[in-house]
Amino acid sequence: QKEVEQNSGPLSVPEGAIASLNCTYSDRGSQSFFWYRQYSGKSPELIMFIYSNGDKEDGRFTAQLNKASQYVSLLIRDSQPSDSATYLCAVSNNDMRFGAGTRLTVKP
Amino acid sequence: DVKVTQSSRYLVKRTGEKVFLECVQDMDHENMFWYRQDPGLGLRLIYFSYDVKMKEKGDIPEGYSVSREKKERFSLILESASTNQTSMYLCASTINWEFHSNQPQHFGDGTRLSIL
Repeated sequence: QKEVEQNSGPLSVPEGAIASLNCTYSDRGSQSFFWYRQYSGKSPELIMFIYSNGDKEDGRFTAQLNKASQYVSLLIRDSQPSDSATYLCAVSNNDMRFGAGTRLTVKP
Repeated sequence: DVKVTQSSRYLVKRTGEKVFLECVQDMDHENMFWYRQDPGLGLRLIYFSYDVKMKEKGDIPEGYSVSREKKERFSLILESASTNQTSMYLCASTINWEFHSNQPQHFGDGTRLSIL
């Protein structure tokens, strides 16, 4: 079982829709959770982090964490073609583990 | 903004060569990391360092070594390159070992290494 699992996609949504990206993790002691965006051929860039159960909003992005279910998600509202990228989930309990990423395509 | 700079974007080497990948960060970060990224496998940690001259093995250290002689510089060395080391290599840094688990990692632009 992978430590951090993501659906590889591709996930395709129309412009203006909500994109929902999901991530599950196996280490119940995990403390910190991150979402990175990676454009093709580029390095990952941090877009959200969350430490506590519940929702955290930043502009069009909302991270949701449910530690009991070992589940973290990222919602992107009003999706734009520029959001098309691979989204990496990262989970940390003294060391950081990355998922393989979900490829998102936003169609105009 | 944190700047993590990797010396080469693209590199082509031959089997058996000794290969050096360099990474420099400009924010006085204590912790530095080397990953490789392969399709479907995500980011895998090769080595990390939490201080000058200190190093720790990650998940896949075999065939690699590292050097950290100065705080800002972390080098990855492929002792004798092999074709299965063809990959994207990413360097990252974070601010402080004690709190590193809560700190996001800042990545360099990556080095796409091809071993022929």
